[in-house]
Amino acid sequence: EAQVTQNPRYLITVTGKKLTVTCSQNMNHEYMSWYRQDPGLGLRQIYYSMNVEVTDKGDVPEGYKVSRKEKRNFPLILESPSPNQTSLYFCASSLDRGHHEQYFGPGTRLTVT
Amino acid sequence: QQQVKQSPQSLIVQKGGISIINCAYENTAFDYFPWYQQFPGKGPALLIAIRPDVSEKKEGRFTISFNKSAKQFSLHIMDSQPGDSATYFCAATDSWGKLQFGAGTQVVVTP
Repeated sequence: EAQVTQNPRYLITVTGKKLTVTCSQNMNHEYMSWYRQDPGLGLRQIYYSMNVEVTDKGDVPEGYKVSRKEKRNFPLILESPSPNQTSLYFCASSLDRGHHEQYFGPGTRLTVT
Repeated sequence: QQQVKQSPQSLIVQKGGISIINCAYENTAFDYFPWYQQFPGKGPALLIAIRPDVSEKKEGRFTISFNKSAKQFSLHIMDSQPGDSATYFCAATDSWGKLQFGAGTQVVVTP
């Protein structure tokens, strides 16, 4: 089944404790992206990657890191999480950076206390 | 600053009625306008999309109307059903594929 998977689905952590949210897709997509969803703000792009080893900042990159060492994986790293990073995070992928449908993962709900 | 403005925040419609969601944008570089549907606990999923060279696109009960000169577009859900209850996001993207989302509209269809 073609899909985007994220792990973990739920995470509660404390301020400053490094964490990684994994994202994997099995559709051989070139383009991958991370979004955060907050009430009243819709989805905002954090980082995106147009291909392996190519990443770029989205609209809200502060406090996040990403890497794209393999085509299928695009982990999101929070080196020192803070409470304002409490949010619902989505990974997405698409065939390429053009106007193709983006497929979203199921989401990761992160709470930073 | 939200580059795509969406309204209303929420709406309640009776079964069989019409739901209308409006979006406006400023960036003339946008050239692809998708709508995503999101059910609770799920990721958004593409519902329908339009390019600015057409003024209307219909897929089943869902229609996008596009007004390029006014930089506005809207989603009409005809004959709304309880299964349409979800959050709807309009979005816009340029040739780099960077999606800008609206804030979302929660639609509730009452039986």
